[in-house]
Amino acid sequence: QSVLTQPPSVSGAPGQRVTISCTGTSSNIGAGYDVNWYQQLPGTAPKLLIFGNSNRPSGVPDRFSGSKSGTSASLAITGLQAEDEAEYYCQSYDSSLSAWVFGGGTKVTV
Amino acid sequence: QVHLVQSGTEVKKPGASVKVSCKASGYTFTNYGINWVRQAPGHGLECVGWINTYNNKTNYTQNLQGRVTMTTDTSTNTVYMEMRSLRSDDTAVYYCARHNHDSSSWDYWGQGTLVTVS
Repeated sequence: QSVLTQPPSVSGAPGQRVTISCTGTSSNIGAGYDVNWYQQLPGTAPKLLIFGNSNRPSGVPDRFSGSKSGTSASLAITGLQAEDEAEYYCQSYDSSLSAWVFGGGTKVTV
Repeated sequence: QVHLVQSGTEVKKPGASVKVSCKASGYTFTNYGINWVRQAPGHGLECVGWINTYNNKTNYTQNLQGRVTMTTDTSTNTVYMEMRSLRSDDTAVYYCARHNHDSSSWDYWGQGTLVTVS
């Protein structure tokens, strides 16, 4: 069981918008710790997609956006493209575990 | 440009040890910590631990305490992760990732090292 909860899968047609939720608790997201999102394409290492809840590293398309509210966070992908098929993981810090924690991952199918 | 290059595939028998390396380049090595995470086949990401490359302070995931040790070699900008008393459920791809303190995120990742325990 992952500390952060994500839906196992989401799907959408090309051009559509999909969102992925990430639910935590009062010891991680709800405690004010930032949420990061990582994209893992099949057979490759994860790649930083969103940091600090809503910031995109250089080179990440603005089709990807993040938000956070209370004990949850969300990743939105607009204008879905075939190349967005991947596993997406949320991450935050947990003060009761004194450790970084991940969600279980969400498989996006286009 | 920042690169993290990991050592190659390992196959070990139960009870053996493995040592995986992560060689950093393209930045000042001691300015950033290194995290280790593993991914069992078909599963998600599980944190293994973290090492401060400046003072060698470590923090290991509770359920791996006593079986994992992380070290650094500043002469070669390399971090090592050793795991002992390997079990079949340690079979996974192990990744190193640079810890960016400014953004509080893991901004660069190694390519991964498959460790098979069988």
